[in-house]
Amino acid sequence: NAGVTQTPKFRVLKTGQSMTLLCAQDMNHEYMYWYRQDPGMGLRLIHYSVGEGTTAKGEVPDGYNVSRLKKQNFLLGLESAAPSQTSVYFCASTLDRAYEQYFGPGTRLTVT
Amino acid sequence: AQSVTQPDIHITVSEGASLELRCNYSYGATPYLFWYVQSPGQGLQLLLKYFSGDTLVQGIKGFEAEFKRSQSSFNLRKPSVHWSDAAEYFCAVGYNDMRFGAGTRLTVKP
Repeated sequence: NAGVTQTPKFRVLKTGQSMTLLCAQDMNHEYMYWYRQDPGMGLRLIHYSVGEGTTAKGEVPDGYNVSRLKKQNFLLGLESAAPSQTSVYFCASTLDRAYEQYFGPGTRLTVT
Repeated sequence: AQSVTQPDIHITVSEGASLELRCNYSYGATPYLFWYVQSPGQGLQLLLKYFSGDTLVQGIKGFEAEFKRSQSSFNLRKPSVHWSDAAEYFCAVGYNDMRFGAGTRLTVKP
């Protein structure tokens, strides 16, 4: 099993550009999450999904959109990137909300 | 509003000394509670979790945590710290969503 994978690993964007981050899991997990990690702020939840076809806003959803068309994939989109979105993005999945979340390796995004 | 507070940004302990990392939360009801550890450049690994039952829970690597409902706390402890425990520790609480604290960085002195 590959676990949770994230594509790409690194990306540099110019302000105003758009991009999509892909998260894939092969563990048949129901729940999937997107976080951003910034120094001194821990992980902050952007959006999450409790099953295929569902999405919900987290703590910091502004400027991001998500889709969960297939159970194994959770996409995070930035429509118009801003320097404030420079961060490390982590995807996670879990079978149930009471269980451990499994994290991907992260995507380092820089917006100039 | 939902929140998780880890009051200590950075803690330094000597190898072999005991450790306690604090976590307080504000939530509508008793949420699921977790402690994760992150080593530099790595992802997060679960140390332990609590959602019901015995309020003292045991985790991996010799860690334990105690849930205190009256104090809305879930503090992490280890009786004797090893140099390999140096890392960043995150408390997390939630139901469908998940809120993480800002983290406590642990340095271990030889």
